[in-house]
Amino acid sequence: GAGVSQSPRYKVAKRGQDVALRCDPISGHVSLFWYQQALGQGPEFLTYFQNEAQLDKSGLPSDRFFAERPEGSVSTLKIQRTQQEDSAVYLCASSLLRGGATDTQYFGPGTRLTVL
Amino acid sequence: AQSVTQPDIHITVSEGASLELRCNYSYGATPYLFWYVQSPGQGLQLLLKYFSGDTLVQGIKGFEAEFKRSQSSFNLRKPSVHWSDAAEYFCAVGVTSYDKVIFGPGTSLSVIP
Repeated sequence: GAGVSQSPRYKVAKRGQDVALRCDPISGHVSLFWYQQALGQGPEFLTYFQNEAQLDKSGLPSDRFFAERPEGSVSTLKIQRTQQEDSAVYLCASSLLRGGATDTQYFGPGTRLTVL
Repeated sequence: AQSVTQPDIHITVSEGASLELRCNYSYGATPYLFWYVQSPGQGLQLLLKYFSGDTLVQGIKGFEAEFKRSQSSFNLRKPSVHWSDAAEYFCAVGVTSYDKVIFGPGTSLSVIP
């Protein structure tokens, strides 16, 4: 596709359920990022992949959050035993090269997660 | 720790008027600085970025920003605002070599006819 796509666009989960959010980056992009954007806030870094390697997961809020990118393309962010504080928009971004702030990140439209 | 502040939570301007959105950062070295725009239902779009060199940076949609090291600022400007500019604007600083980006809290822009 022409841009970064994410699915589902909206997800409602009951507290305690597990959810999986998918990100399809731009084809050929090496770097992939996940961000969490709470209502009225700026995006906050969660984790970074370079191809299939997860090089930084320092932003993941707890061990309930897990991300993978097994073939260096599509990525999945999984949240186990969801809590109300997990309600947010989850953004995925990809960039062509091996990161470096000179590289432009292209963002997907996000997945809005609501935990009841 | 690195941080970004945007003092104005919400700004309203008239169409055709000039615009300046403020951004201040805290970072030990020379930062990489960005402005992004987020329209309702849309993904974040990069407006412009600064790495080095000329401190006045031109971006898309007629926006520009000026890096002032002495003030730790990177304010976004546009000489004449269009109704379609109504959106959320985020200033961000890039840290680490691989692009970890710290975003500010955002400024919501409303444009009145």
